[in-house]
Amino acid sequence: KNQVEQSPQSLIILEGKNCTLQCNYTVSPFSNLRWYKQDTGRGPVSLTIMTFSENTKSNGRYTATLDADTKQSSLHITASQLSDSASYICVVSAGPGYALNFGKGTSLLVTP
Amino acid sequence: GAVVSQHPSRVICKSGTSVKIECRSLDFQATTMFWYRQFPKQSLMLMATSNEGSKATYEQGVEKDKFLINHASLTLSTLTVTSAHPEDSSFYICSARDLRAFDIGNEQFFGPGTRLTVL
Repeated sequence: KNQVEQSPQSLIILEGKNCTLQCNYTVSPFSNLRWYKQDTGRGPVSLTIMTFSENTKSNGRYTATLDADTKQSSLHITASQLSDSASYICVVSAGPGYALNFGKGTSLLVTP
Repeated sequence: GAVVSQHPSRVICKSGTSVKIECRSLDFQATTMFWYRQFPKQSLMLMATSNEGSKATYEQGVEKDKFLINHASLTLSTLTVTSAHPEDSSFYICSARDLRAFDIGNEQFFGPGTRLTVL
């Protein structure tokens, strides 16, 4: 069964600090992996997308890494801001015609 | 970037009534739209895949007679929750896939969601 596991389930950090979220998956075949940010009561918004050949992708203060051999990805947030408080969801695609595989998300709270 | 809207954003209804949720792709054409359901602190669960001009494909365990889906055009899909009950209260999110999806990683663009509360 295709699975996407995220850790930690929740995280609290001080404003200005860095943090790293983890995503392990067993999805096969593999097409791409995306990280989404979902604010409370809103739909997910794409942060990064990586295909098999990409090891890292940055979007401002967000940097995602991918190790397709070990089927692991991480999302690193630098110099966190209060507005970073949200749920971060890892989504793995097996390709066209396949349903997306969603992780349960990591709930991040950035405090002053 | 591609924008997907949903209407309404929030709805409260009485048990036994029907509720219609609209999903629109605003600046692109979507041959396929997806309907998801999300409970608190849970991941998005795919309910059905809606293809323009054809019947929707429902995931196992989703009642097609209860959750009616219509994808009448390349920019609009609707989800109607019929005879709603309190257990149908949830956050419903749609997504749309651009016709050019193969060029941009087969990405789905998500709507802002609709919070349904059934009393």
